[in-house]
Amino acid sequence: SQQGEEDPQALSIQEGENATMNCSYKTSINNLQWYRQNSGRGLVHLILIRSNEREKHSGRLRVTLDTSKKSSSLLITASRAADTASYFCATVKGDSSYKLIFGSGTRLLVRP
Amino acid sequence: DTAVSQTPKYLVTQMGNDKSIKCEQNLGHDTMYWYKQDSKKFLKIMFSYNNKELIINETVPNRFSPKSPDKAHLNLHINSLELGDSAVYFCASSQDSQPQHFGDGTRLSIL
Repeated sequence: SQQGEEDPQALSIQEGENATMNCSYKTSINNLQWYRQNSGRGLVHLILIRSNEREKHSGRLRVTLDTSKKSSSLLITASRAADTASYFCATVKGDSSYKLIFGSGTRLLVRP
Repeated sequence: DTAVSQTPKYLVTQMGNDKSIKCEQNLGHDTMYWYKQDSKKFLKIMFSYNNKELIINETVPNRFSPKSPDKAHLNLHINSLELGDSAVYFCASSQDSQPQHFGDGTRLSIL
């Protein structure tokens, strides 16, 4: 079965607010990645966190990973209208370094 | 200077036809992928080639056949198209297990 459930499915916030998206998965992983998809475009890689890491930052992005709960969160601080997109988590299992298993995605709308 | 390019961007065709989607990457990556994204935005891997060798082959109907003539190209041929094949198909590439780079997708609509 597919792993990677994300919540919320949709999130609407005001520009300047923070956005938090959560991802849960089912099996052990090697790493977890977050991707963004703008409407009508392909996915763009945002950040990768390895199974032995707990937190990672990149600009306005902060990702946490809790392997005991099999969950991750993506925090976007000081959101901008340009952050409006769908966000997907994807896991890489320990035995298959090439295969990404995607979550269902969170649609983020940042209102100006 | 597009990194991963797919053609065509849109494909509208009749049920029962055979069609191909082409993908090329100029990143020098050794691994390429095909994904299918359904109407609910769920993304699922179909195939992956590493140095022209098939390494991932998910449960996909035999009507779908990937072909990799060289490391920079991975094409997808679909025979006897069915209504359920309507989706957006994404090509991606990576160097080994590094993060993947995606094309902008091919929107396939079956009439």
